[in-house]
Amino acid sequence: GQQVMQIPQYQHVQEGEDFTTYCNSSTTLSNIQWYKQRPGGHPVFLIQLVKSGEVKKQKRLTFQFGEAKKNSSLHITATQTTDVGTYFCARARNNAGNMLTFGGGTRLMVKP
Amino acid sequence: KAGVTQTPRYLIKTRGQQVTLSCSPISGHRSVSWYQQTPGQGLQFLFEYFSETQRNKGNFPGRFSGRQFSNSRSEMNVSTLELGDSALYLCASSLGTGIQPQHFGDGTRLSIL
Repeated sequence: GQQVMQIPQYQHVQEGEDFTTYCNSSTTLSNIQWYKQRPGGHPVFLIQLVKSGEVKKQKRLTFQFGEAKKNSSLHITATQTTDVGTYFCARARNNAGNMLTFGGGTRLMVKP
Repeated sequence: KAGVTQTPRYLIKTRGQQVTLSCSPISGHRSVSWYQQTPGQGLQFLFEYFSETQRNKGNFPGRFSGRQFSNSRSEMNVSTLELGDSALYLCASSLGTGIQPQHFGDGTRLSIL
């Protein structure tokens, strides 16, 4: 179907280490969005990628969209305790509307 | 600018009852979507409303329904509640034209006893 698979499900890192979460689809994605949900909070939009091979950076966060538009990744350099939360990728249907299909999320825990 | 507001924040119901959840989008946003979040199934799309019309619908039974008013506020109704309906229900709003970032509210935590 239209699933997006996200790995890993959980990741423990020591503060200062890097972190990467991957999002994969069996079908071509027209776009991919990334969200962060802090514990007890709600998803917060981080970025949207639409172009093949696109790379976008937000401070220590680097987002990539694969050349074939079937995968995406989020990389955090030198994690901090404020990075704790669950990171979700989501695809939007390529038609009118805003129906998002979310990946299962990667829960990031950072040890100080 | 005020964010997306959802009421109530917490709700406890028993099986068989019905419930109505409310969502006020960001001013100027015409699209309102509803999502169910559970530990087992993750974030699942329920439906989207735009200009008072349901534009997209997820794979949920007919017990789940919604509507949108002329001021873009939206309500979601769940009838004949089941234990499995216990979840965090999130509302998200966006401008509505094209594929837009979704702005989520804090959600309504629904517990079914």
